[in-house]
Amino acid sequence: SAVISQKPSRDICQRGTSLTIQCQVDSQVTMMFWYRQQPGQSLTLIATANQGSEATYESGFVIDKFPISRPNLTFSTLTVSNMSPEDSSIYLCSVGELAGNPYEQYFGPGTRLTVT
Amino acid sequence: AQTVTQSQPEMSVQEAETVTLSCTYDTSESNYYLFWYKQPPSRQMILVIRQEAYKQQNATENRFSVNFQKAAKSFSLKISDSQLGDTAMYFCAFMKHPGGGSEKLVFGKGTKLTVNP
Repeated sequence: SAVISQKPSRDICQRGTSLTIQCQVDSQVTMMFWYRQQPGQSLTLIATANQGSEATYESGFVIDKFPISRPNLTFSTLTVSNMSPEDSSIYLCSVGELAGNPYEQYFGPGTRLTVT
Repeated sequence: AQTVTQSQPEMSVQEAETVTLSCTYDTSESNYYLFWYKQPPSRQMILVIRQEAYKQQNATENRFSVNFQKAAKSFSLKISDSQLGDTAMYFCAFMKHPGGGSEKLVFGKGTKLTVNP
């Protein structure tokens, strides 16, 4: 399975500022995903990021608030813009592996964001 | 839209005993995948087990097994010989058959499992 790292692992930010979260994978993958896990809640997909194309956002999430970059097949960033306390969550990236195997999706360790 | 329901917010089990976590889902798809993920306090999401809907045989991974009832849209997880390290949140997840951008995971709300010594 792919090994996924995220930076930073946690951060405390002031409202109105922005934070960029990095996701690095140890192998080339076509699809990367960004999820949000609000305190005590389940995971919700923010967007799907394919290399070479615009990210696809889920209902309730917009590019202006959560811009995503996917410059190559091993890296992606998610920016949380103009933060408010409601953005305090764990943000997780994941990758899907399909080629040659039954499909599985693996997650990074997450970034715990607290907005004050 | 697909929905996943986990009706047990919290469960506890004694070490070495067996516990079953429930999951039901709603979909009109005929071909899909189901997953159980484990999230310990360290928050790393770990894939526990996977079931393809077209397979009638229930998946097993060491002490973890599922009871997949396609007609009833039920997908329970059985943990045998529970260990202290099994203490975690367990999430059931659904995905339409991969391909064409349909690899979105839909998660249930989770079951907090505590294994007691």
